[in-house]
Amino acid sequence: DIMMTQSPLSVAVTPGESASISCRSSKSLLHSNGITYLSWYLQRPEKSPQLLIYQISNLASGVSDRFSGSGSGTDFTLKISKVETEDVGIYYCVQFLEVPYTFGAGTKLELK
Amino acid sequence: EVQLVESGGGLVQPGRSLKLSCAASGFTFSNYGMAWVCQAPTKGLEWVASISTGGGNTYYRDSVKGRFTISRDNAKNTLYLQMDSLRSEDTATYYCARQSYYFDYWGQGVMVTVSS
Repeated sequence: DIMMTQSPLSVAVTPGESASISCRSSKSLLHSNGITYLSWYLQRPEKSPQLLIYQISNLASGVSDRFSGSGSGTDFTLKISKVETEDVGIYYCVQFLEVPYTFGAGTKLELK
Repeated sequence: EVQLVESGGGLVQPGRSLKLSCAASGFTFSNYGMAWVCQAPTKGLEWVASISTGGGNTYYRDSVKGRFTISRDNAKNTLYLQMDSLRSEDTATYYCARQSYYFDYWGQGVMVTVSS
């Protein structure tokens, strides 16, 4: 199975500041078709997860452009600019290269 | 508006069965793969199973193979998860999700508790 490792496991951010979350996979997520199957999700407290970014850097419909994704191969980063109250929750990276699809352990974002 | 509404959860004894349903609306259900994802209490998310658009291809995580069956009825716009031989470690909230090469829409989740 592909292991997904996120860091940090928690981060406290001052509103208006930026935050970055790292995700590392145990195997390259680059498919032979040239697409990298890495996506990011936010689960707000007591809510269902929502898709933020897919295929490394594509913003999902309706998601604020304060969110951005980057990376390649096995190393990926989610950046949140100008953090707001609504950004509080747990962020997960997920690989869709092969089954079993695997999630990172999650990174909890809190406000200072 | 895409909507996914799960039902069928509850309290069940170890070894017994339960069938979850997910009613889909707001999109052409038969055009999308679908999946179940679970979350044990206070834990992270875990993929459970996926099914192709026509239902001919199914995929499972090892821990549920032979016990869970994912299926769909495209005429009824409904996804199912038949859960047999339930174990205490299956206790979780189960979400259905629309699947491309990501999960772009999620239901509100349904709780399954396996306990005697």
